[in-house]
Amino acid sequence: DAKTTQPPSMDCAEGRAANLPCNHSTISGNEYVYWYRQIHSQGPQYIIHGLKNNETNEMASLIITEDRKSSTLILPHATLRDTAVYYCIVRVADSGGYQKVTFGTGTKLQVIP
Amino acid sequence: GAVVSQHPSWVICKSGTSVKIECRSLDFQATTMFWYRQFPKQSLMLMATSNEGSKATYEQGVEKDKFLINHASLTLSTLTVTSAHPEDSSFYICSASTGLITDTQYFGPGTRLTVL
Repeated sequence: DAKTTQPPSMDCAEGRAANLPCNHSTISGNEYVYWYRQIHSQGPQYIIHGLKNNETNEMASLIITEDRKSSTLILPHATLRDTAVYYCIVRVADSGGYQKVTFGTGTKLQVIP
Repeated sequence: GAVVSQHPSWVICKSGTSVKIECRSLDFQATTMFWYRQFPKQSLMLMATSNEGSKATYEQGVEKDKFLINHASLTLSTLTVTSAHPEDSSFYICSASTGLITDTQYFGPGTRLTVL
């Protein structure tokens, strides 16, 4: 199963783009990359996911390298409310339908006024 | 996004007692539910995955006789911590999905368990 590694913390100025990297060098072909964020003592909030193509939604963009060994979550205009721990996870289902989810260590993003 | 609730949001119990935590998907049918545990300042650790109507699949190192999971309907899963001890004190979080790998996993707000 793929493991993910993330920098423990990052700062970003309010209004600027926040680029959060994730390394998943052992990812296999059928594993999806998901990003969530967690504000203190709450359940994680879904942000975006992808398999191999870049993805964009109203919250963020996800850039996955061609070899799929790493990805970057981009928050285009960070606000103070984006301060949270961001988790990069990989998710796979086996032939029997059993899903395996592996959470990374998370990056604590601090948005600075 | 879809809504997943947990009850209770926090619970304090005495050592040796059992505690049941409920996880409900309020607006969709959750074929698959996941249970996680999170210790302070740490990431989420998957405890088990359950498909509706089937026995849960536990991660290595998680005692299935201690952490009983029931997923009897498409909207409800329960986690029972049996004979709880102080080391079981943690933040327990469930998530629910329709079962497809491409469908989003929605998380509940979590349950804070404190065992005295």
